[in-house]
Amino acid sequence: AQRVTQPEKLLSVFKGAPVELKCNYSYSGSPELFWYVQYSRQRLQLLLRHISRESIKGFTADLNKGETSFHLKKPFAQEEDSAMYYCALIRGNTPLVFGKGTRLSVIA
Amino acid sequence: DAGVIQSPRHEVTEMGQEVTLRCKPISGHDYLFWYRQTMMRGLELLIYFNNNVPIDDSGMPEDRFSAKMPNASFSTLKIQPSEPRDSAVYFCASSLGVQTYNEQFFGPGTRLTVL
Repeated sequence: AQRVTQPEKLLSVFKGAPVELKCNYSYSGSPELFWYVQYSRQRLQLLLRHISRESIKGFTADLNKGETSFHLKKPFAQEEDSAMYYCALIRGNTPLVFGKGTRLSVIA
Repeated sequence: DAGVIQSPRHEVTEMGQEVTLRCKPISGHDYLFWYRQTMMRGLELLIYFNNNVPIDDSGMPEDRFSAKMPNASFSTLKIQPSEPRDSAVYFCASSLGVQTYNEQFFGPGTRLTVL
């Protein structure tokens, strides 16, 4: 079965420092990967999807099939980036499979 | 559009009581999902529906949990009897499909506390 692993439950960084939220997946095919984010007192929402190759709020994520990873990166963290981040995977027509999430705390 | 609507937002009940959580998906969305969020297990898919029909309920923890979708605009998740370990945030989400390009839209969640 496909699985998504986010090894860090909590990640604390200082404002202005680079951020990398790790995500690894186990699936032998060609999955589609996503990052969802939940800001304080807001709904869980889509941040970005790998097929779009987009940068959202300064965040990017590259799918590395060799390492089966989809790490989320931002060069300079902002206080407003503090949130819960979930990596998720879709295989074929099955619903999203989420990792356990990483709480990012950006310290001023 | 108010998005996905869930009620109640908070529920506190005693062990053994029946709990019913409600969800109204975004109009026109064919898929509805129920998730449970806990610190230990993260976000778990409990069950999902397509056109009001349950497709996969393998994530439902046990027989105490049941879900229905009587029509395209309403779904319920029921726990009977409730237990303290059911305490969690329950999310409902809807989408136009499950393919890559179909974003899931989440409700605000129901925080359930079972004493």
